[in-house]
Amino acid sequence: EDKVVQSPLSLVVHEGDTVTLNCSYEVTNFRSLLWYKQEKKAPTFLFMLTSSGIEKKSGRLSSILDKKELFSILNITATQTGDSAIYLCAANSNSGYALNFGKGTSLLVTP
Amino acid sequence: DGGITQSPKYLFRKEGQNVTLSCEQNLNHDAMYWYRQDPGQGLRLIYYSQIVNDFQKGDIAEGYSVSREKKESFPLTVTSAQKNPTAFYLCASRTSGRIVSGELFFGEGSRLTVL
Repeated sequence: EDKVVQSPLSLVVHEGDTVTLNCSYEVTNFRSLLWYKQEKKAPTFLFMLTSSGIEKKSGRLSSILDKKELFSILNITATQTGDSAIYLCAANSNSGYALNFGKGTSLLVTP
Repeated sequence: DGGITQSPKYLFRKEGQNVTLSCEQNLNHDAMYWYRQDPGQGLRLIYYSQIVNDFQKGDIAEGYSVSREKKESFPLTVTSAQKNPTAFYLCASRTSGRIVSGELFFGEGSRLTVL
């Protein structure tokens, strides 16, 4: 059975800290891994990773995939209160037709 | 602007009543999905549809039903058989169910509370 596991499930940091969110996956015929940010309602797309070792970057956020270890991390540097959200990781397979989501990491950034 | 519209945003119902949540997209996407989100549970797949007049059960389909009569629309009915229907429901779509590398686009969600 395919599964996606995120850790930690929740995290509280101070503004300015750097955080690393983890996502491990076991997916048959893995194709890609996606990260989403959910602040209140609709998750918004952050990154899609298909190749190992190639970092994707957007401002203070970056992510990388390790297909050998079946693992991805999402880094946020110099965190701001606006980074407070649930971060969702999802895996895509060649054989499936829907994304398989982890439980999410709830991040709270305090002033 | 293209996007996914879910309605209603908030819904209250008494136990035993069926409710239907609307999802409409104007992105010309073939594939549409319904997810349920509970606190600490992430997103769990209820039903999905790759093409008009076709849909498949997801991981937690019991107590739910869907239809896909038009490409733009994928309504979800929460029936009285669903034992714990209070949740946040998210509709999503993407270009095609067969192009599996594509990202999902989400609606704003519908929060259902059963009293």
